[in-house]
Amino acid sequence: GAVVSQHPSRVICKSGTSVKIECRSLDFQATTMFWYRQFPKKSLMLMATSNEGSKATYEQGVEKDKFLINHASLTLSTLTVTSAHPEDSSFYICSAREGNRPPYEQYFGPGTRLTVT
Amino acid sequence: KNQVEQSPQSLIILEGKNCTLQCNYTVSPFSNLRWYKQDTGRGPVSLTIMTFSENTKSNGRYTATLDADTKQSSLHITASQLSDSASYICVVSAQNYGQNFVFGPGTRLSVLP
Repeated sequence: GAVVSQHPSRVICKSGTSVKIECRSLDFQATTMFWYRQFPKKSLMLMATSNEGSKATYEQGVEKDKFLINHASLTLSTLTVTSAHPEDSSFYICSAREGNRPPYEQYFGPGTRLTVT
Repeated sequence: KNQVEQSPQSLIILEGKNCTLQCNYTVSPFSNLRWYKQDTGRGPVSLTIMTFSENTKSNGRYTATLDADTKQSSLHITASQLSDSASYICVVSAQNYGQNFVFGPGTRLSVLP
């Protein structure tokens, strides 16, 4: 099956610094990628939808200036957490959609554990 | 409001036993329903996808059912293995929601030896 990778898998950073997380679709082209955040024992919460070559669409309550998303190619989307604070510590998961007609197949990455100290 | 509910919240069974997880949804207009397995600290992995016209789909020891009239789905796991310990997430897509996912809260399954 299709594979989606994320890098890094874990990152620890200091408050005030920025962290970039990469999401790649390894064997298919993804016109749409999604970024999710997951708190312990909770389900995934959609942060934003990213379409290749256009601006990301953010969910209500998600600060677009804090969570910068770039979808520069059909196989790569990046999430940059700017001026990170301890409350940004979380598990971030990306997913990539394959196909042009529903039901789209949507593959998830393995996630990135961000810890802000 | 589009919502997906799952029950039970958590479940403990012995290895080799069967179990059934439930999913109820109010997502409309319905497009498709998926079951994902998520191991701790990992991303979700797709188990099944069902559209409106499908009422059952199997993937190995996993069998999902869908009743679009009652808006209910179940995931049946047979002959459970220790590796089945994970969270199982029911996800529903709506036709007019850009096919975006509405996630259930998940059922945490623990399989004990």
